Amino acid sequence: AQTVTQSQPEMSVQEAETVTLSCTYDTSESNYYLFWYKQPPSRQMILVIRQEAYKQQNATENRFSVNFQKAAKSFSLKISDSQLGDTAMYFCAFMKPDFGNEKLTFGTGTRLTIIP
Amino acid sequence: DARVTQTPRHKVTEMGQEVTMRCQPILGHNTVFWYRQTMMQGLELLAYFRNRAPLDDSGMPKDRFSAEMPDATLATLKIQPSEPRDSAVYFCASGLERGSWTGELFFGEGSRLTVL
Repeated sequence: AQTVTQSQPEMSVQEAETVTLSCTYDTSESNYYLFWYKQPPSRQMILVIRQEAYKQQNATENRFSVNFQKAAKSFSLKISDSQLGDTAMYFCAFMKPDFGNEKLTFGTGTRLTIIP
Repeated sequence: DARVTQTPRHKVTEMGQEVTMRCQPILGHNTVFWYRQTMMQGLELLAYFRNRAPLDDSGMPKDRFSAEMPDATLATLKIQPSEPRDSAVYFCASGLERGSWTGELFFGEGSRLTVL
């Protein structure tokens, strides 16, 4: 079974600074997807960024980028120029595209607070 | 603005009562997941459907939980009888599978259930 570990329960950073959230995972699969989801106080889970394991290039979405280290099984999220609206829980998730077993396995989350 | 709609947003009930949660996936999406979120267990998969057919419901306590998709625009999760340990936030999420599943999910705002 796959596991996802987020070792930082809480983080805080000043507005406009850069912050990196850590995630490691354990799997014997070679083909899989990794995700970062954001859960603001409104509770809705929002997809931030997705990475396909067979792609070496790190995914980016505006101010959000990842550092995907496949051999190390590491998938960190970097938020640049942080904004107050980035305050949320951030969950790292893993999925293998295996028909009938396509669930997302989530980490325990990191609570990020952006300080004005 | 396409979104996943869940009802009710909040539900307080007494132990032993039946609870039904409903989800309207994004129009055109053919894959629907039910997740449960608690402080202790985090985010856990309960069940998921593709083209209305159940693919995995191994996360559900079968004796009290049932999940169905009566049609493509409605997914239901029923608990009967409810117990205090069922208190959680229940999320519905939908996505579109087009030949291969890439795991991109759109979540609803969740139904917060409290069983007294």
